[in-house]
Amino acid sequence: DQQVKQNSPSLSVQEGRISILNCDYTNSMFDYFLWYKKYPAEGPTFLISISSIKDKNEDGRFTVFLNKSAKHLSLHIVPSQPGDSAVYFCAAESLTGNQFYFGTGTSLTVIP
Amino acid sequence: EAQVTQNPRYLITVTGKKLTVTCSQNMNHEYMSWYRQDPGLGLRQIYYSMNVEVTDKGDVPEGYKVSRKEKRNFPLILESPSPNQTSLYFCASSPQGTGRYEQYFGPGTRLTVT
Repeated sequence: DQQVKQNSPSLSVQEGRISILNCDYTNSMFDYFLWYKKYPAEGPTFLISISSIKDKNEDGRFTVFLNKSAKHLSLHIVPSQPGDSAVYFCAAESLTGNQFYFGTGTSLTVIP
Repeated sequence: EAQVTQNPRYLITVTGKKLTVTCSQNMNHEYMSWYRQDPGLGLRQIYYSMNVEVTDKGDVPEGYKVSRKEKRNFPLILESPSPNQTSLYFCASSPQGTGRYEQYFGPGTRLTVT
């Protein structure tokens, strides 16, 4: 049973525009949420994270928003660049630590 | 260079033939973990290790074994592989097993069991 869900398998965005990737979760006991980016034939790389006690975290072009009441988080990329084309996974850490649950991924294509 | 290495990168084997996928990190990380990636299912955690000699089950541990005898190594063992273990496997490490720290992933091992 998927505890972290990414309902959009793919997303296409024009270069320079905003990309919004969404993630929903079912367990209110998650402590941290993270986003990872994955290029083909490579392992995932960390992008940005947010603690469950915050509602926003920003790092350059990347911002993550957390809505705990809706059990929803989103990743905003502004402006989108062709190099951002990759699969994005959201992940959640259990409150007890050590266990991580990943979503199914969203493939982002940024069109030049 | 700080990295997580996995070997082999590609492996085709037959049902029931024991195999080991090695994972090594050079960052002195306490925490290591194994994941499998399958289409439509994303990444799922198999096993993790908080420190040497301390391991625990993740979400999908059936059919897998691990050991952590040294800090840098965390091999994944399939005692009797079956076709449903055909997947892309990733090893990861982190200073600690908390979301406060990012996980560093290896390049992946593509396993096919026929």
